[in-house]
Amino acid sequence: AQSVTQLDSQVPVFEEAPVELRCNYSSSVSVYLFWYVQYPNQGLQLLLKYLSGSTLVKGINGFEAEFNKSQTSFHLRKPSVHISDTAEYFCAVSTPNDYKLSFGAGTTVTVRA
Amino acid sequence: DAGVTQSPTHLIKTRGQQVTLRCSPKSGHDTVSWYQQALGQGPQFIFQYYEEEERQRGNFPDRFSGHQFPNYSSELNVNALLLGDSALYLCASSLRQAGNSPLHFGNGTRLTVT
Repeated sequence: AQSVTQLDSQVPVFEEAPVELRCNYSSSVSVYLFWYVQYPNQGLQLLLKYLSGSTLVKGINGFEAEFNKSQTSFHLRKPSVHISDTAEYFCAVSTPNDYKLSFGAGTTVTVRA
Repeated sequence: DAGVTQSPTHLIKTRGQQVTLRCSPKSGHDTVSWYQQALGQGPQFIFQYYEEEERQRGNFPDRFSGHQFPNYSSELNVNALLLGDSALYLCASSLRQAGNSPLHFGNGTRLTVT
């Protein structure tokens, strides 16, 4: 079975500063990796996904992530955050023969002016 | 184009009662998954329905059951409610069963068990 560990539960950051959210995964087979964002009182919205190919993945709202197979990581980055990026971020993993997503516990990002 | 819609948005039940949550998938999607998100935690997979059959199930007791209708909409039923069932229940839809098919989530149903 696969699992995800998000290494930071809370990340405070100033507006226009860069941010990195760390995600490590565990799996005995090849994986698909995802980052989702959840704004207060809303469902989850897909930011980006890695299925295969280029290890640098670009998503919506200026976010990008890099798949590192040797370190089993999929860290999310944004070079300059906005107040509106304040939200909960979830890393998730699935495999080609598995129908479910396994989520990490989430990272709360709070952007301050 | 309507996304995933869930009803009701909020629900308060008493221990021992039964509850039914409803989900309409995004237009064109044929697969529905249900997740439970406890406060401060990531979503946990309950089960997935495709072609009106349960295709995969997470580590949830038989008190949790579901159904998918011919129009692809779905229901989640929980019997004999416990305080620990209080959570946000998320429905997600996708186009096919493959693991790389992105999930589209609804805004959830907030269930409070007292």
